[in-house]
Amino acid sequence: GAGVSQSPSNKVTEKGKDVELRCDPISGHTALYWYRQSLGQGLEFLIYFQGNSAPDKSGLPSDRFSAERTGGSVSTLTIQRTQQEDSAVYLCASSLGQGSLQPQHFGDGTRLSIL
Amino acid sequence: AQSVTQLDSQVPVFEEAPVELRCNYSSSVSVYLFWYVQYPNQGLQLLLKYLSGSTLVESINGFEAEFNKSQTSFHLRKPSVHISDTAEYFCAVSEGYIPTFGRGTSLIVHP
Repeated sequence: GAGVSQSPSNKVTEKGKDVELRCDPISGHTALYWYRQSLGQGLEFLIYFQGNSAPDKSGLPSDRFSAERTGGSVSTLTIQRTQQEDSAVYLCASSLGQGSLQPQHFGDGTRLSIL
Repeated sequence: AQSVTQLDSQVPVFEEAPVELRCNYSSSVSVYLFWYVQYPNQGLQLLLKYLSGSTLVESINGFEAEFNKSQTSFHLRKPSVHISDTAEYFCAVSEGYIPTFGRGTSLIVHP
């Protein structure tokens, strides 16, 4: 496919469990972002990857959140010991190169529900 | 630091009426400005962008936005809306590599 792909599209899990969310960016896009979108809120930046550089983790809300990007392509966002406040839509976006000129291309998101 | 304010959380309008969705930003440097649209259960899609040059930018589906540096605004307009324009609209500002998004404006078009 030509777009950003995220899986799963929906995830329901019990409080305290770990979850992994996956993002396949557009081929050739070196920049990758994760955002969290809560009901009625805007997009909350979580983490940014650019090529082989160290990621910008400044948006991660706690040490329960982590992300990696393997081979400069696929990325996985992991939430450990999930809490109810982690319920949200997690969006992944990719863009060509770095810098503020490049618009972002978004996946359809993973809707995470913590029971 | 950059920030974005979308003044209206919800804008109801009748079909074929004009609409304006407001966006104000703050930044200490030159910025790039974007409008994204989000349909239900989908990610965001770029609607239009201002990078430089003409302050009036247009999208292919009839929306336009005007960059006003003195008022630090980038309002989105459409002269005649359709039911299919019902969606969430996000304004974003970027001065570095991490854009800041507004909270979004829900445009609701009634028949």
